[in-house]
Amino acid sequence: AQTVTQSQPEMSVQEAETVTLSCTYDTSESDYYLFWYKQPPSRQMILVIRQEAYKQQNATENRFSVNFQKAAKSFSLKISDSQLGDAAMYFCAYRHGSSNTGKLIFGQGTTLQVKP
Amino acid sequence: DVKVTQSSRYLVKRTGEKVFLECVQDMDHENMFWYRQDPGLGLRLIYFSYDVKMKEKGDIPEGYSVSREKKERFSLILESASTNQTSMYLCASSLLAARRNQPQHFGDGTRLSIL
Repeated sequence: AQTVTQSQPEMSVQEAETVTLSCTYDTSESDYYLFWYKQPPSRQMILVIRQEAYKQQNATENRFSVNFQKAAKSFSLKISDSQLGDAAMYFCAYRHGSSNTGKLIFGQGTTLQVKP
Repeated sequence: DVKVTQSSRYLVKRTGEKVFLECVQDMDHENMFWYRQDPGLGLRLIYFSYDVKMKEKGDIPEGYSVSREKKERFSLILESASTNQTSMYLCASSLLAARRNQPQHFGDGTRLSIL
């Protein structure tokens, strides 16, 4: 069975600096998708960034980028120029490529604190 | 924008009660999901549905059931609430899996306390 592990329960970063959140996953499949979700204190979970396993290029969305290491089964999230609004819980999630249901497997989450 | 609406943000019930959590989405999504979120455990899938009247068990279905009579509505039912079901419950929806990089869209969550 696939598993997703976020080994950092809490992280902190100074405003305007860069922080990296780690995520590893375990799968025997070659076709899959990876996601980072953000859950601010108001609680609605929103998508930050997604990566298709067949793409070698790392996904980027403005200040958010990933370091996707397929062989190492690692999918870290880098937040550049951190802002106070980035403070949230971040979840890494995995989806099997052949899944017809869109079922996601989530990591345990990392709480990010941004210090002014 | 996709809107996923959960009927309550906070709910307090008593042990043994039958509890209904309602979720409605407005984007004609085929897939709908119920998760519970607990500290240190992330989100765990309780049930999901990929069509009206269709449902499948997730990873922790014990003590729960679901109902999907209409495409836009997915209900989670705690048949006889117990204190270990005190948790945050999140509903989500997504498009049909043919677009496999499509994300799930989440509601605000319901914080349920069972006394």
